[in-house]
Amino acid sequence: GAVVSQHPSWVICKSGTSVKIECRSLDFQATTMFWYRQFPKQSLMLMATSNEGSKATYEQGVEKDKFLINHASLTLSTLTVTSAHPEDSSFYICSARRDRVYNEQFFGPGTRLTVL
Amino acid sequence: TQLLEQSPQFLSIQEGENLTVYCNSSSVFSSLQWYRQEPGEGPVLLVTVVTGGEVKKLKRLTFQFGDARKDSSLHITAAQPGDTGLYLCAGDSGTYKYIFGTGTRLKVLA
Repeated sequence: GAVVSQHPSWVICKSGTSVKIECRSLDFQATTMFWYRQFPKQSLMLMATSNEGSKATYEQGVEKDKFLINHASLTLSTLTVTSAHPEDSSFYICSARRDRVYNEQFFGPGTRLTVL
Repeated sequence: TQLLEQSPQFLSIQEGENLTVYCNSSSVFSSLQWYRQEPGEGPVLLVTVVTGGEVKKLKRLTFQFGDARKDSSLHITAAQPGDTGLYLCAGDSGTYKYIFGTGTRLKVLA
């Protein structure tokens, strides 16, 4: 159990367009999901916390109007990168929190975004 | 600001050698997770430790949580090429958000 999927796994887009990334928990419900960004050979950087049925909470320095997050159901969160620019190119990873005895996060396989 | 420092940052060893990765902080965590990540993939959860002094074993991997729940270690016995990857520790400060470690990149040569 505890499988998280992401779609698409990679996307190439032109500068100025918007890109939507989906994150789904396949075999458990997740009231909380997280979006991370990872630069090459670095650790994960938390961008925002996505809460089902409420507004996302963004980390300091992350533009909420640029990275739109919607957590419409207990198994789906989406991240939309609006008006993407080359500096937004990165590896985006989501995780879903499984609320059992421990606070554990399970990660999706990531989405490689390249903005031309 | 909470920080989790991992050491070493990079490690290249021969197959069959042992190694230890450290994860240190000045903050107390309610639990701590270890993940392994391969290039182009998401991190995969290896273990969760919650009790100070706790030791958990996963085949050739031994995880320990410090008595004060501020630090942790990962020991790999007889490393194999399949152990190659980025090892990340992540601490739960009790706010649901993780504090991720700086990462240790391990390469095991055949």
